[in-house]
Amino acid sequence: DQQVKQNSPSLSVQEGRISILNCDYTNSMFDYFLWYKKYPAEGPTFLISISSIKDKNEDGRFTVFLNKSAKHLSLHIVPSQPGDSAVYFCAASIPNTGNQFYFGTGTSLTVIP
Amino acid sequence: KAGVTQTPRYLIKTRGQQVTLSCSPISGHRSVSWYQQTPGQGLQFLFEYFSETQRNKGNFPGRFSGRQFSNSRSEMNVSTLELGDSALYLCASSRDGKSWELFFGEGSRLTVL
Repeated sequence: DQQVKQNSPSLSVQEGRISILNCDYTNSMFDYFLWYKKYPAEGPTFLISISSIKDKNEDGRFTVFLNKSAKHLSLHIVPSQPGDSAVYFCAASIPNTGNQFYFGTGTSLTVIP
Repeated sequence: KAGVTQTPRYLIKTRGQQVTLSCSPISGHRSVSWYQQTPGQGLQFLFEYFSETQRNKGNFPGRFSGRQFSNSRSEMNVSTLELGDSALYLCASSRDGKSWELFFGEGSRLTVL
């Protein structure tokens, strides 16, 4: 049972525009959420995170929004750059479970120059 | 500093065989987690080791096992391979049991024929 879902397998955006990647979850026990970026033939790399006590976290061009009532989070990239083209995974964890994370299936972002 | 190193990078096995994958974490990292990535399921948590002890285990059959050595290096083993075990196996390390940011290796691509 997929507890973290990314319903859009792919997304194309023009360079300079905003990219919005969405993620939904079902388990209300999740208390921490992360986004990872993955280039082909490389392992995922950490991008940004958010705790369940916050509803927004910003890091440069990247902002993550968390809507706990809707069990929904989104990653905004502004402005989008061609180098942002990659697969983006959202992940969530439950308290006291170490580094066990539940990952979504990923969204492939293509930023068109 | 050196990143997470996984060996071998690619391997081909036949059904019924067994395989051992190796992971060397970043120096100083004591937690090692293993994930299976398949196209339809995304990243699925296999298990986590911390200071040579298995802390968490995902929902995988007993054919999947692992261990961690005193130098934090980890191995995972899959016995009696099935076609469905074909996947990218990713290892991730972190400083301690709950540092939130996982550092992934490039993965070991297993093909079962």
